[in-house]
Amino acid sequence: DSGVTQTPKHLITATGQRVTLRCSPRSGDLSVYWYQQSLDQGLQFLIHYYNGEERAKGNILERFSAQQFPDLHSELNLSSLELGDSALYFCASGSGGTNEKLFFGSGTQLSVL
Amino acid sequence: GQQLNQSPQSMFIQEGEDVSMNCTSSSIFNTWLWYKQDPGEGPVLLIALYKAGELTSNGRLTAQFGITRKDSFLNISASIPSDVGIYFCAGERGSTLGRLYFGRGTQLTVWP
Repeated sequence: DSGVTQTPKHLITATGQRVTLRCSPRSGDLSVYWYQQSLDQGLQFLIHYYNGEERAKGNILERFSAQQFPDLHSELNLSSLELGDSALYFCASGSGGTNEKLFFGSGTQLSVL
Repeated sequence: GQQLNQSPQSMFIQEGEDVSMNCTSSSIFNTWLWYKQDPGEGPVLLIALYKAGELTSNGRLTAQFGITRKDSFLNISASIPSDVGIYFCAGERGSTLGRLYFGRGTQLTVWP
């Protein structure tokens, strides 16, 4: 158990819909990262938050957004869903700072039908 | 984005054999990491390498950070059935801590 909690574990929805994925970082970790894992793209960095502030954006679509709340949990919002958005979405947390180690949650498997 | 070329894509070995996999890139990385992913789980960090030339062990696992900073390898000695899984290399450039570039993974199957 990494200590990172992601909910829900599975999500099935239809094209055009909007979903919210939730992540609770390990106790004491200030950083939250979102990654997408798909068969064609592999594991790709989406976005990073540190102590409530956005720090970096990767290959994140404009239809996707995220935030980190004062209690440090984070949500990833995916809207106007397309078939190609079907993937595993991972959240990872870290303490921040030099040589930060990331601890990944078990992921949310999103299926867009 | 930065591309990490990981090989081999898959390996089928017998229990007790040693395993070697590697990762190369056209770009320099400041940190190299090796993760293992089991079905239904997220990647778990196995070894982190922070310095060019560094050789680090974690039990039966040994990894090295290439001198050019563009490659890394992972060796597993005396493999056991629970070594089955997907192994990923990842590189970090240092400009954004925690922003990792992942290889496509090596699927390891161990026959008893």
